[in-house]
Amino acid sequence: DIQMTQSPSYLSASVGDRVTITCRASQTISNYLNWYQQKPGKAPKLLISAASSLQSGVPSRFSGSGSGTDFTLTISSLQPEDFATYYCQQSYNTPRTFGQGTKVEVK
Amino acid sequence: QVQLQESGPGLVKPSETLSLTCVVSGCSINSAYYWGWIRQPPGKGLEWIGSIYHSGSTYHNPSLKSRVTMSLDTSKNQFSLKLSSVTAADTAVYYCARRRSWNDGGAFDIWGQGTVVTVSS
Repeated sequence: DIQMTQSPSYLSASVGDRVTITCRASQTISNYLNWYQQKPGKAPKLLISAASSLQSGVPSRFSGSGSGTDFTLTISSLQPEDFATYYCQQSYNTPRTFGQGTKVEVK
Repeated sequence: QVQLQESGPGLVKPSETLSLTCVVSGCSINSAYYWGWIRQPPGKGLEWIGSIYHSGSTYHNPSLKSRVTMSLDTSKNQFSLKLSSVTAADTAVYYCARRRSWNDGGAFDIWGQGTVVTVSS
């Protein structure tokens, strides 16, 4: 199985901060990396697919980059609605695997 | 717009079989997507259970061994999950989701709201 490791697991930040979350795959996955946002009691929401493709309706303050084994999700200016947990997920092969999550909390 | 809705018993006894259905609206399950199940134990992260294609091809997480069965009902535009021999470790929120093809990146782009399943006697 491909292991996905996110860092940090917890992040405290303020509105307006630039936030960066990293995701590392245990083997190369090309650009088959997706990012999801999950708020309490809600289903995950796809933010970015194929490492850097912003989904329709997702604010442009979200961006993704990376290829191979190392990936990054960046929120350029954190907004109140962005406090949530973020997951990366590889879609390179089976079994599909997720990172452990990064919880972005209010500082 | 495309919507997915899970349904099924919220309480299952240990050693019995968990059965869930996901009704799809706004998109035919015969289209070029896979249909999958993901679960999330209380306070924990996401675990992929398996996916099914309209051809009937299925893929499941080996960690669940042979306990997983998935099927499609094209007449009702829905798909189903059965998980046998459940234990307390199977207690989770279960999500159904639409998955893009591998050539299209393979992301889970539409999710159901999730259904809570508790395994307890």
